[in-house]
Amino acid sequence: GESVGLHLPTLSVQEGDNSIINCAYSNSASDYFIWYKQESGKGPQFIIDIRSNMDKRQGQRVTVLLNKTVKHLSLQIAATQPGDSAVYFCAENLSSGDKLTFGTGTRLAVRP
Amino acid sequence: DTGVSQDPRHKITKRGQNVTFRCDPISEHNRLYWYRQTLGQGPEFLTYFQNEAQLEKSRLLSDRFSAERPKGSFSTLEIQRTEQGDSAMYLCASSFGGAGSTDTQYFGPGTRLTVL
Repeated sequence: GESVGLHLPTLSVQEGDNSIINCAYSNSASDYFIWYKQESGKGPQFIIDIRSNMDKRQGQRVTVLLNKTVKHLSLQIAATQPGDSAVYFCAENLSSGDKLTFGTGTRLAVRP
Repeated sequence: DTGVSQDPRHKITKRGQNVTFRCDPISEHNRLYWYRQTLGQGPEFLTYFQNEAQLEKSRLLSDRFSAERPKGSFSTLEIQRTEQGDSAMYLCASSFGGAGSTDTQYFGPGTRLTVL
């Protein structure tokens, strides 16, 4: 289930289950979207990206879905592992090379 | 390890002092970005270089902040007369902008600044 943490929404999942992290982005003109994973005390780590001309992209254990109609992005993590515990941010930009605008972030907690 | 390095990793300073941070991007990357992140928030854009040219600055970047990338490689971010509100994680990212490139931004580990 989900609970609201002090600063970030938190998603708690059982190890081995699938996780779905959602993000509502702000600008309908955005062309490029990225999911980053950030562990405590570290910089954001690239996970997967998608361009606006696609609605789905798959990586290793991760899938990103883009719904431009409702400006919604989701990250699906298959067979969630303890090492997946981190804060996940979606980010958008208007065009290649442009600055990124980050979403609020979701904390993923994996229960053993 | 993305290959972007930042120095120092931590900096504690007294209010009113000047501080300077350094970022070394991935070697073939021509674009370099600075962001600031406070606790519980996502990174916020500060400024951006393409090669040695500073192309955009956020309104968050007050007159006390200055960034340089003199030779198009490493960059420095200086904060003059630091204030307690400057306490944050300062993140650097780099990307390669060229034909056929996705221009993905890769982040360094950040410099955590604490202003007492």
